Order: sequence, then structure tokens, then C-alpha cells
Amino acid sequence: GAGVSQSPSNKVTEKGKDVELRCDPISGHTALYWYRQSLGQGLEFLIYFQGNSAPDKSGLPSDRFSAERTGGSVSTLTIQRTQQEDSAVYLCASRASGAGNTIYFGEGSWLTVV
Amino acid sequence: SQQGEEDPQALSIQEGENATMNCSYKTSINNLQWYRQNSGRGLVHLILIRSNEREKHSGRLRVTLDTSKKSSSLLITASRAADTASYFCATDQLNTPLVFGKGTRLSVIA
Repeated sequence: GAGVSQSPSNKVTEKGKDVELRCDPISGHTALYWYRQSLGQGLEFLIYFQGNSAPDKSGLPSDRFSAERTGGSVSTLTIQRTQQEDSAVYLCASRASGAGNTIYFGEGSWLTVV
Repeated sequence: SQQGEEDPQALSIQEGENATMNCSYKTSINNLQWYRQNSGRGLVHLILIRSNEREKHSGRLRVTLDTSKKSSSLLITASRAADTASYFCATDQLNTPLVFGKGTRLSVIA
């Protein structure tokens, strides 16, 4: 597609349920990022995929969070046993290989845990 | 890890005035990027400045970079109400994730 696509746009879930958030990066982009942003706050890095390298998971806040990227394209962020503090916008971004390339963001997935 | 910190946290100006936002970071970088965010949704890339550049212009935007002070500034000239948004700087190194600051919330009053 023309841009980074994320789904769902909005998700309301009950505490304790699992959720999956999907990111469809720009075709051909080798790098894919997940960030989290709580209301009125900055972006918190979660996980980074670069080509076939092992992902950088250093930002995942707990073992309830995981992500995978299948076929070097679509990525899914999974949050198990959701907690209220997981409520945030989850932003995905991608960019072409090489330093200095622009990173393109999706519109984000609003997650509300009630 | 490296981190961009924007200053001020919030800025309110009149339409037509210039807005200046600053960003400081901690470690060496390949480049620094500025982004804009409306209403808590996706970020839009504004401008990238490489570590060997000192100043860059794009329309009403002017970015400076001082690697000796590990700081950058974003100037928006002749501001408009439509410039109201949050502005983030992000530091960039090869094969590492962009690290964002907490942003500056700019309000331009018509």
C-alpha cells in the first residue's frame, strides 16, 4: 500500500483478555518498529525488526508483550492478559534499509483496557 | 540509550510569531529527525538533518544541529493556527531504533 497500515484503529478489551494488533508496512521496507504512546506522553520504544536479523526486544515492558514479523512484511504485536496500564496508542513505523531514510508511521491502534 | 529531550514542554504563541523548540541528546548520532503529531495519532516526518550538517531549511521550517553541544533546534517561522501540534525530535543511528523525546506541545492562537 501507499503507507503504513494498522488495524484495528480502535480496540476496547476487558482486563485479562489477549489482544493482537496488526501492522502492514510499506512494501519493500526492511525495518519495522513498534512504539507505545500513553495519553499526552512521548513515544516509548517497544520492539524493532531489521531484515532477517534477530529483533531488538529491549523495549518490551513485560513478558505479556510479544511481536513477530512474518515473511519480512506484516507484523503482529500481541499483548496477553491485558492490564489497564496497557491502555495507549500503539504506533507502527517502517523504513527502507540504509541510514538516514525517513521513517513512516501508521495512524496507530488505540487500545483501551476496561 | 540515547535520548532526545525537547524543550519547552509546551509553547503558546500568537499566529504570525516564530516558534522555537529545542532538543538535546546524549550520545553520538548519524542524524536527527523532527516529527509532528496531531491529536495523538501517527507522526509525520518534517525534516532530517545529518550529523555533518549544521542547518537545514524546508519551507517555513529551519533546523539547526550542534553536535558539540548535542543539541538541535526547530524554528517555525510565521506560525499559523494549523501548526498547532506536538513536535518530537528523534535521534538516529544505523540499525538501532529511533529514540524519541517527550515532545513539545505547540499552540498557535489565531
